[in-house]
Amino acid sequence: QSALTQPASVSASPGQSITISCTGTNSDIGAYNYVSWYQQNPDKAPKLIIFDVTKRPSGVSNRFSGSKSGNTASLTISGLQAEDEADYFCSSYTITTYVVFGGGTKLTVL
Amino acid sequence: QVQLQESGPGLVKPSGTLSLTCDVSGGSISSRNWWSWVRQPPGKGLEWIGQIYHSGITDYNSSLKSRVTLSVDKSKNQFSLRLSSVTAADTAVYYCARVLESWYFDLWGRGTLVTVSS
Repeated sequence: QSALTQPASVSASPGQSITISCTGTNSDIGAYNYVSWYQQNPDKAPKLIIFDVTKRPSGVSNRFSGSKSGNTASLTISGLQAEDEADYFCSSYTITTYVVFGGGTKLTVL
Repeated sequence: QVQLQESGPGLVKPSGTLSLTCDVSGGSISSRNWWSWVRQPPGKGLEWIGQIYHSGITDYNSSLKSRVTLSVDKSKNQFSLRLSSVTAADTAVYYCARVLESWYFDLWGRGTLVTVSS
């Protein structure tokens, strides 16, 4: 099962907005609204920031938002802060092997 | 609140079997959740290994299915992973996680590094 496709890295300055894409197929992202996003700081466990494509867990900043169009899901972070610098992973349910993750995107806040 | 903690050997010999346990504290493993294992090779992305329900029902990543066994011990409030015939490619940080109904992981353990080496 191939991983979902994410850009390896993105960067932006504090206060700006960024969008990370996550491209799959019509067997995963395109077929189900079961997309989730995780933030991972160095040597830490992943933290859930978006589930069911657009929903935020309690305690996650509303600067994080999710969306989906066709086979591509997106994570947008607005009003970038230094603390947002981390790796971000997308995930989706897939009919072929239940769960597939993206390769991860490293966000650098300049 | 519920917390997860992985434990097990940090070093396994090639062709051996990797065995890890995840202790669930602050809640019951028999709650209406699935429990999962996810791994991350050093510097790489995440890979889902499989999941188990407290009744013992399991789902596995097809790419690992022939080598993976998940089990649950309700009396100890823990679940376990066994991965056989390991190679260097199985070197990774292994996380246990709680899975909610639409296939997202809301709670993670801190992870444990397992190195496959002679």
